[in-house]
Amino acid sequence: RKEVEQDPGPFNVPEGATVAFNCTYSNSASQSFFWYRQDCRKEPKLLMSVYSSGNEDGRFTAQLNRASQYISLLIRDSKLSDSATYLCVVNPSDPGTASKLTFGTGTRLQVTL
Amino acid sequence: NAGVTQTPKFQVLKTGQSMTLQCAQDMNHNSMYWYRQDPGMGLRLIYYSASEGTTDKGEVPNGYNVSRLNKREFSLRLESAAPSQTSVYFCASSLRATQETQYFGPGTRLLVL
Repeated sequence: RKEVEQDPGPFNVPEGATVAFNCTYSNSASQSFFWYRQDCRKEPKLLMSVYSSGNEDGRFTAQLNRASQYISLLIRDSKLSDSATYLCVVNPSDPGTASKLTFGTGTRLQVTL
Repeated sequence: NAGVTQTPKFQVLKTGQSMTLQCAQDMNHNSMYWYRQDPGMGLRLIYYSASEGTTDKGEVPNGYNVSRLNKREFSLRLESAAPSQTSVYFCASSLRATQETQYFGPGTRLLVL
């Protein structure tokens, strides 16, 4: 089983739609969680961290379910500029030790007119 | 600030040739990382340097060596390139090894024939 699993997509949605991605992780001791965004042929960039209580940043909402070991990302009112690959990232390292992030393979989102 | 820079952007090598990928950051970060990204695999950590003067192996270190030249620069060397090392290589940095937000360079696309 992969350490971090994501549906590769692509998810094709019209502008204005709401779309959700899920990600599962295998290491129950994982400490922290993130969503990164990667545009085609570009570097990954941090989109948001994922906190236990859930967190929101504008149109983006991230949720964590430790019991089921999954993370979700909800994008409301999709824009054309949201088209990208979304990487689920988990830090399985013990607190206070060097972070060795584990990346999922990404879910591709294509927002269309 | 340029952030994280990488050279070269593209490179074609023949099997058995050697080369060094360069990475530099101007954010005064202590920790630096080298990843490779392959289709269907996600980013995988090759080596990292938690602080100047230290380097450690990541998930896929075989066939690579690294040098943390100073606080700013972290290079990745392929001594004898193999077709299996065809990939996109990303350098990243973070303020501390325990601080998980990593900032990525634009990547180097390497083709080994």
